[in-house]
Amino acid sequence: AQSVTQLGSHVSVSEGALVLLRCNYSSSVPPYLFWYVQYPNQGLQLLLKYTSAATLVKGINGFEAEFKKSETSFHLTKPSAHMSDAAEYFCAVSDLNDMRFGAGTRLTVKP
Amino acid sequence: EAGVTQFPSHSVIEKGQTVTLRCDPISGHDNLYWYRRVMGKEIKFLLHFVKESKQDESGMPNNRFLAERTGGTYSTLKVQPAELEDSGVYFCASSHPRTGGGNEQFFGPGTRLTVL
Repeated sequence: AQSVTQLGSHVSVSEGALVLLRCNYSSSVPPYLFWYVQYPNQGLQLLLKYTSAATLVKGINGFEAEFKKSETSFHLTKPSAHMSDAAEYFCAVSDLNDMRFGAGTRLTVKP
Repeated sequence: EAGVTQFPSHSVIEKGQTVTLRCDPISGHDNLYWYRRVMGKEIKFLLHFVKESKQDESGMPNNRFLAERTGGTYSTLKVQPAELEDSGVYFCASSHPRTGGGNEQFFGPGTRLTVL
């Protein structure tokens, strides 16, 4: 069975600071891993995904994530936070079809 | 290309009433998924259609929930009778089977259901 754990339901950073959102996964097969973002009153939007090509995945809006098999992690980072990054972020793991999500991390960016 | 749409965006009903949620996937997407997020917890899988067939409905909480996808296009999720614990945001997603590895799912904006 697949599962995802996101450490920290709330993360607060200052504008310009590093963003680090943590995700650990459990999967019985080589996983596909995703980060989605949800802005207020909108649906989930794909930030990036890992599909066994490169372990460092670059996404939209300056975000990237690194797949570390030894640590079963797929943490999301951005070097410099912007006010517009304030949103809720979801890590997800998938086999061929079914996707399982973490509980989400709400990112607050302080001016 | 239009995205996944859901109707209504909000629904407030009383316990014991019936509510039907609708999802229109992206045209040509055979895979359609329903998810639910309750009270800020994780987004939980409910079920998965491939065209009009239920591929996996292991996440459906109980028999008060009925999902259909007649003709393999739009889908409805009916809750009858609704209970307080059914409150939450119901998301629909769709994907194309030939998208390739990783099977990106495209999400709708969700329907916020409140049961009083």
